[in-house]
Amino acid sequence: GDSVTQMEGPVTLSEEAFLTINCTYTATGYPSLFWYVQYPGEGLQLLLKATKADDKGSNKGFEATYRKETTSFHLEKGSVQVSDSAVYFCALGDSGGYQKVTFGTGTKLQVIP
Amino acid sequence: DTGVSQDPRHKITKRGQNVTFRCDPISEHNRLYWYRQTLGQGPEFLTYFQNEAQLEKSRLLSDRFSAERPKGSFSTLEIQRTEQGDSAMYLCASIPPRGSEQYFGPGTRLTVT
Repeated sequence: GDSVTQMEGPVTLSEEAFLTINCTYTATGYPSLFWYVQYPGEGLQLLLKATKADDKGSNKGFEATYRKETTSFHLEKGSVQVSDSAVYFCALGDSGGYQKVTFGTGTKLQVIP
Repeated sequence: DTGVSQDPRHKITKRGQNVTFRCDPISEHNRLYWYRQTLGQGPEFLTYFQNEAQLEKSRLLSDRFSAERPKGSFSTLEIQRTEQGDSAMYLCASIPPRGSEQYFGPGTRLTVT
């Protein structure tokens, strides 16, 4: 079945450091790929998405490119801020039509001043 | 558009009791999903409704779990004879008719003592 593997956390970075959170997936068909973010005490929010190979999703300075050849969707940001501290979930959407989402286990990011 | 709402936000119950959670999706969103998230894990799919029809159920949804969406609007998730292993955050999400992004509610945190 579908699965998502993302790097374990927690990840601790200094403000303005470069961020990469690795994510790889296993799926049949052509799933959509997502990054969700969960800020402390808040619900899940979609951060960015890509719906086909070579698409780049971007939002709030974060980027991720759908790489079909390596089945990856790594999240990057050039300069993190303290306000980016959160848990980040890589996820894929079922391409079979029901669009249920399969999530990774999440990576906690802590950014220190 | 007030977002997906869930009630209650927190529920503490004793083992063996029945509990019911409610989800109100965004107006006109015809697709509704329930997920369960345990500590340190990503959300796991439980079940999916398109309008009032329940079209898919995960193996995680044992016989003690039942979900309904009687008029294709709000949905309820009932757990009978709760067990300590049911302690988790129960999340609801909805999608509009021609969309792909899932909008998540804040979740109901269940603690079974």
